[in-house]
Amino acid sequence: DTAVSQTPKYLVTQMGNDKSIKCEQNLGHDTMYWYKQDSKKFLKIMFSYNNKELIINETVPNRFSPKSPDKAHLNLHINSLELGDSAVYFCASSQLDNSGNTIYFGEGSWLTVV
Amino acid sequence: AQTVTQSQPEMSVQEAETVTLSCTYDTSENNYYLFWYKQPPSRQMILVIRQEAYKQQNATENRFSVNFQKAAKSFSLKISDSQLGDTAMYFCAFMKQEGGTALIFGKGTTLSVSS
Repeated sequence: DTAVSQTPKYLVTQMGNDKSIKCEQNLGHDTMYWYKQDSKKFLKIMFSYNNKELIINETVPNRFSPKSPDKAHLNLHINSLELGDSAVYFCASSQLDNSGNTIYFGEGSWLTVV
Repeated sequence: AQTVTQSQPEMSVQEAETVTLSCTYDTSENNYYLFWYKQPPSRQMILVIRQEAYKQQNATENRFSVNFQKAAKSFSLKISDSQLGDTAMYFCAFMKQEGGTALIFGKGTTLSVSS
């Protein structure tokens, strides 16, 4: 079973469209994240949720809206897509416990806006 | 704010040789974690090794080991007996020791292993 799974893996869409990427983790973690990896492969945090509560909200256009229906799911909705939104979006999860804190990543969702 | 710097955009090594990837970071925190992640062309993010800042002993995972110098804020990755499958981009990352905090990544080092 995949620990952190994202769908879709590949998405090609036109400018102006609205799209969503879904993420689910079966690790029982309390915290989930969305990261964006741009064309230069730089990885940057976008959002983080802890037990369905938004705790990190970096400087991201408000066209991006995360939603966490429960602590195992964190979806990313993007309105009015722009060319610059083309990137790989990674979902991740983590849990702080006695063994420490490690973030586990999904396989990424490759978004191409044309 | 924390920053992570990887000063080597690209490195190359021959199979079976040893290579060291550099990473420095800046933080005012005393308790934190440091990580190396590997990203092959598939773009999957694979955890290579983790170091807790409170531990003086350097972490090791098979052919991978780190040289953690807390005072110098340095965290280098040594890959011994390099294999073709080690070819990938390697990211150094920092995380505060608090629940819910995010990883701060360096810009990555592309490692090429040749036969």
